Amino acid sequence: GESVGLHLPTLSVQEGDNSIINCAYSNSASDYFIWYKQESGKGPQFIIDIRSNMDKRQGQRVTVLLNKTVKHLSLQIAATQPGDSAVYFCAEDLGETSGSRLTFGEGTQLTVNP
Amino acid sequence: ETGVTQSPTHLIKTRGQQVTLRCSSQSGHNTVSWYQQALGQGPQFIFQYYREEENGRGNFPPRFSGLQFPNYSSELNVNALELDDSALYLCASSLVSYNEQFFGPGTRLTVL
Repeated sequence: GESVGLHLPTLSVQEGDNSIINCAYSNSASDYFIWYKQESGKGPQFIIDIRSNMDKRQGQRVTVLLNKTVKHLSLQIAATQPGDSAVYFCAEDLGETSGSRLTFGEGTQLTVNP
Repeated sequence: ETGVTQSPTHLIKTRGQQVTLRCSSQSGHNTVSWYQQALGQGPQFIFQYYREEENGRGNFPPRFSGLQFPNYSSELNVNALELDDSALYLCASSLVSYNEQFFGPGTRLTVL
């Protein structure tokens, strides 16, 4: 079936560096994408979202890029901090026609070294 | 904190038993979705409730069932528990069925 996947299962960066987490999706009908952060023992926490009519969206220290041509999504974290260490998931949503269900990838474990 | 609460935090059951998990949605949200997250994997959609009606279901057997109440809180029931049902069960609430979903902390279910 259609699914969202991630290129790298783990990513280790130095504090202060920029982090880039990638995601490939396979369902060209998806029109809403979300990045979640999940810390150990907690539920996923919304970071940023983007709709399919956009290529880029910026938040506080985070930027999401969407390339619909190659079905690729990325999350950029600027000046990565130890508190950013967590598992990051991308998720896609087909929208109202599918009853708004999120399809998650397997996640990338981000480790920030001091 | 998202304002979505779940109970209990942890529970242990034996194979064949039945379990009920509870979720209180964020104030004003009328849609609740349930997800199963196995260890080391991303959450998998179980089903969604919108205004007390099931509004979409993932690839889970009928022994997974749910309810939504007039106050929009929700229950997930699992009958005839199997070892593979051991997972973190997450609920997420949203304002309408097509919008950002806010997740609760989850219930960790262990089936022995």
